[in-house]
Amino acid sequence: DGGITQSPKYLFRKEGQNVTLSCEQNLNHDAMYWYRQDPGQGLRLIYYSQIVNDFQKGDIAEGYSVSREKKESFPLTVTSAQKNPTAFYLCASKIGGANYGYTFGSGTRLTVV
Amino acid sequence: DAKTTQPNSMESNEEEPVHLPCNHSTISGTDYIHWYRQLPSQGPEYVIHGLTSNVNNRMASLAIAEDRKSSTLILHRATLRDAAVYYCILRGPYNQGGKLIFGQGTELSVKP
Repeated sequence: DGGITQSPKYLFRKEGQNVTLSCEQNLNHDAMYWYRQDPGQGLRLIYYSQIVNDFQKGDIAEGYSVSREKKESFPLTVTSAQKNPTAFYLCASKIGGANYGYTFGSGTRLTVV
Repeated sequence: DAKTTQPNSMESNEEEPVHLPCNHSTISGTDYIHWYRQLPSQGPEYVIHGLTSNVNNRMASLAIAEDRKSSTLILHRATLRDAAVYYCILRGPYNQGGKLIFGQGTELSVKP
């Protein structure tokens, strides 16, 4: 079955370390997105990519980096510059065009220890 | 960015219809109205979306006001599995990647 796979489900990071969250989709979707969710809050956009080898900053990109070398993959690196990285991270994808819904992964919960 | 306003929480009885309201008075002519729902510690699940006309699918119906400043998600017969946070979202301009602009959502509880 097609879908989005995020790994790992839980991730612990020491302060000052960079960590990379994986997002893979086999839906042949063009666009991919990374969102962050804090407790009791809605989702906020970190980065998005509409095509391979191209990506744009979202609303809260500081302290994060991404790459889009393959259509299927959109990894997110949380760098040491992100001051408050503990959150639930969600990856989403969408086929091109306005009249389609989005598919979300099951998320990665990152905790800084 | 256009915003949506939803009640923080609603209650329903099992097997009864549920009407979840959403106000979006600053919606632009090209914004699609999307609804997603989310269970704790899971990713949001697509429910339905529309632009101007009412929409139906196997999960729900979406009723859009004629002026598009409000919409209502209709679950025809609530089940316990429908208990979740429901987000009414406007799909942003394509030049911003068509991002979804999330609000706080409505927490729906379903009583047996």
